[in-house]
Amino acid sequence: AQSVTQLDSQVPVFEEAPVELRCNYSSSVSVYLFWYVQYPNQGLQLLLKYLSGSTLVKGINGFEAEFNKSQTSFHLRKPSVHISDTAEYFCAVSLSNTGKLIFGQGTTLQVKP
Amino acid sequence: GAVVSQHPSWVICKSGTSVKIECRSLDFQATTMFWYRQFPKQSLMLMATSNEGSKATYEQGVEKDKFLINHASLTLSTLTVTSAHPEDSSFYICSAVLVPDRTTYEQYFGPGTRLTVT
Repeated sequence: AQSVTQLDSQVPVFEEAPVELRCNYSSSVSVYLFWYVQYPNQGLQLLLKYLSGSTLVKGINGFEAEFNKSQTSFHLRKPSVHISDTAEYFCAVSLSNTGKLIFGQGTTLQVKP
Repeated sequence: GAVVSQHPSWVICKSGTSVKIECRSLDFQATTMFWYRQFPKQSLMLMATSNEGSKATYEQGVEKDKFLINHASLTLSTLTVTSAHPEDSSFYICSAVLVPDRTTYEQYFGPGTRLTVT
């Protein structure tokens, strides 16, 4: 069975500091990997995705993630965060044969001034 | 492009009544739509997969007679919560898969519907 684990439920960080949100997955089949952001009372917005090819993926709002197959990880990073980055972040895997998304538990990024 | 809307954005209903939530793909066709449920401070849980022109596929533990899903066209799927109870109060989110994008199944999410049952 496939699963996604986000290792940190909350990540507090000061504005302009770098941040890494960790995500590990387990799967016996090929998967696609995604990071989504959710602002309060809103739906999900795609930050970036890994389908194949280069393991370093760049997304919107200055975020990037690196796919590490040997460690089954897909950590999200940003070199300098802003107050507006405060939100809930979800890592997800999509099963290539069904299209279903399996979400991690989510990480709350709290950017402090 | 790839915009998904939901209606209503929030709804309050009395216990025992039914509520219908619409999910529309505004600028693309979607053969497949997904319905999720999200409790406060929790992740999204997939409830069902809705395929145009066929019966929905429900995840284990989801009552198909309580959560009726209809995907009558390539741009519209509806979720009806029948005989709603307070424990059905939640944030319901739908997503749609672009028809030509069968290889990656990237999902585009609606803004969500907040259901409160009193």
